[in-house]
Amino acid sequence: EAGVTQSPRYAVLQEGQAVSFWCDPISGHDTLYWYQQPRDQGPQLLVYFRDEAVIDNSQLPSDRFSAVRPKGTNSTLKIQSAKQGDTATYLCASSLGRGREQYFGPGTRLTVL
Amino acid sequence: GQQVQQSPTSLVLQEGENAELQCNFSTSLNSMQWFYQRPGGSLISVFYNPSGTKQSGRLTSTTVIKERRSSLHISSSQITDSGTYLCAMRYNVLYFGSGTKLTVEP
Repeated sequence: EAGVTQSPRYAVLQEGQAVSFWCDPISGHDTLYWYQQPRDQGPQLLVYFRDEAVIDNSQLPSDRFSAVRPKGTNSTLKIQSAKQGDTATYLCASSLGRGREQYFGPGTRLTVL
Repeated sequence: GQQVQQSPTSLVLQEGENAELQCNFSTSLNSMQWFYQRPGGSLISVFYNPSGTKQSGRLTSTTVIKERRSSLHISSSQITDSGTYLCAMRYNVLYFGSGTKLTVEP
């Protein structure tokens, strides 16, 4: 069974540029999560979906970050006008139901110069 | 909000020594989970939803939900155990601690 896949694996931007991250969850998993992990810190939830619906996006900086999951499968996280403080690894995870075990992808490591 | 405290922040061992990692939670929780992460690597679940004492190879998790704490014991450490160990409480979503960075030297 294929795990959670993410792309790209790395991204380097100048401040003010935009970037999109893509996540393909485990087939059949209805719940998808995006986490931000700054260097030497634990991951922090940004947003999560049940199918195509956003369940919680309270920690997503809405002025520059957006996330969609239009068909309830793949998801895209976008940062518009990136800042140096956005430098972090962005992790995607999926689960079969909310509160069930989450399986993590390899992450996208973002550096904003 | 939910807070997860891990200690120590970092730990250096000689190969063969044992390690004890601690995790404390600020609020009541449904369950918790231990993860392992190599630098630049994905999160690998080590123990999922443990209660009481559970063992997997050289790793032992002891969790007391009522006291809001969990520990991870690594016996006879190996160089390949080096990495960051993260604990997380599960409350619909995961709330992570900052991790313990373990370095095992030859």
